[in-house]
Amino acid sequence: SQQGEEDPQALSIQEGENATMNCSYKTSINNLQWYRQNSGRGLVHLILIRSNEREKHSGRLRVTLDTSKKSSSLLITASRAADTASYFCATDGGGSYIPTFGRGTSLIVHP
Amino acid sequence: GAGVSQSPSNKVTEKGKDVELRCDPISGHTALYWYRQRLGQGLEFLIYFQGNSAPDKSGLPSDRFSAERTGESVSTLTIQRTQQEDSAVYLCASSLLVGTGDYGYTFGSGTRLTVV
Repeated sequence: SQQGEEDPQALSIQEGENATMNCSYKTSINNLQWYRQNSGRGLVHLILIRSNEREKHSGRLRVTLDTSKKSSSLLITASRAADTASYFCATDGGGSYIPTFGRGTSLIVHP
Repeated sequence: GAGVSQSPSNKVTEKGKDVELRCDPISGHTALYWYRQRLGQGLEFLIYFQGNSAPDKSGLPSDRFSAERTGESVSTLTIQRTQQEDSAVYLCASSLLVGTGDYGYTFGSGTRLTVV
């Protein structure tokens, strides 16, 4: 089954800096989504990018998708301490309706 | 409801006991998913329901795990004869459109299961 894998596993930055995390996957996708998880509980949907899209913005978030490299990146600009969380990418497609998740990137933003 | 509701929020059980976890999806969401997340790990798919179709149980780790859903309503995940390795957060998600997640998946807050 396809699976997104996030990189890096952990990221520590200062407030105001930008944070970039990457996701790689193995097979063709319908779409790719990014989620945030606080304190190991429910995931919050951040942004969805379709396979025919290359870039998408939402507030301080910017997502890119390169289907030729089977990779995506999530950029958080002007980070805040409240952005501290784990970030996961999820993919579905290739005949599967089941979104698969990577292990996540743990982001710490120091005030 | 306004969101996906899971209960209980936390459950501590003794090894060997059965537990039942509940998920109330958003009204009208046809697809429902259960995932397991061990500490510091990613989400592990367990089971998928789509309307009245037969569920996809391919992620269930053993025959001690089972789940039910009636139509497009509440789902229950049952773990029989719990083991310490079952300790994890169990997450439920629902989505509006069939499988494609065009609007993303809405997750509940999870049930943290601890087997002692």
